[in-house]
Amino acid sequence: GDSVTQMEGPVTLSEEAFLTINCTYTATGYPSLFWYVQYPGEGLQLLLKATKADDKGSNKGFEATYRKETTSFHLEKGSVQVSDSAVYFCALSSTDTGNQFYFGTGTSLTVIP
Amino acid sequence: KAGVTQTPRYLIKTRGQQVTLSCSPISGHRSVSWYQQTPGQGLQFLFEYFSETQRNKGNFPGRFSGRQFSNSRSEMNVSTLELGDSALYLCASSPHTVNTGELFFGEGSRLTVL
Repeated sequence: GDSVTQMEGPVTLSEEAFLTINCTYTATGYPSLFWYVQYPGEGLQLLLKATKADDKGSNKGFEATYRKETTSFHLEKGSVQVSDSAVYFCALSSTDTGNQFYFGTGTSLTVIP
Repeated sequence: KAGVTQTPRYLIKTRGQQVTLSCSPISGHRSVSWYQQTPGQGLQFLFEYFSETQRNKGNFPGRFSGRQFSNSRSEMNVSTLELGDSALYLCASSPHTVNTGELFFGEGSRLTVL
């Protein structure tokens, strides 16, 4: 079945460090891929998405490229800020008839000044 | 525009009881999904409703059920509660009918089963 595997956390970085959170997926067909973020005390919200192979999603300085050959969708940011501290979830959706999403277990990121 | 509203936000039940959670989607959104979030398992898909019909169902026992009303509001019910049902239950709505869309999440209903 479809599934998402993402890097275990927690991750602690200093401000302005480079961030990579790995995400790989297993899916039948051609899934759409997403990164969602959950800031402390807030609900999950979409960070970025890519709907087909080689697409790059980007938002708020974060980027992820849909790599079909390696079944990956790694999240990167060149210079993290304290305000990026949150839990990040990789997700996919591959059904053509609904909004069934498969999420990874989440990676907690803490950025220290 | 109001976001996804879930009630109640917190509740405590004992084993064997049943619980009903409510979700009001964003106005105009016809798709409503439910997820169970636990520290070890992450988010697990429960079911999705569109136009009052269950379109997809996750791998949960029959104790978990849901429904959607004509105004798109949705409820989920868990009967015969078990300790393992303690979790954050998230509702998400979407205006899209296919999987390229975005989910808009509520803040969740935190259920504790004693």
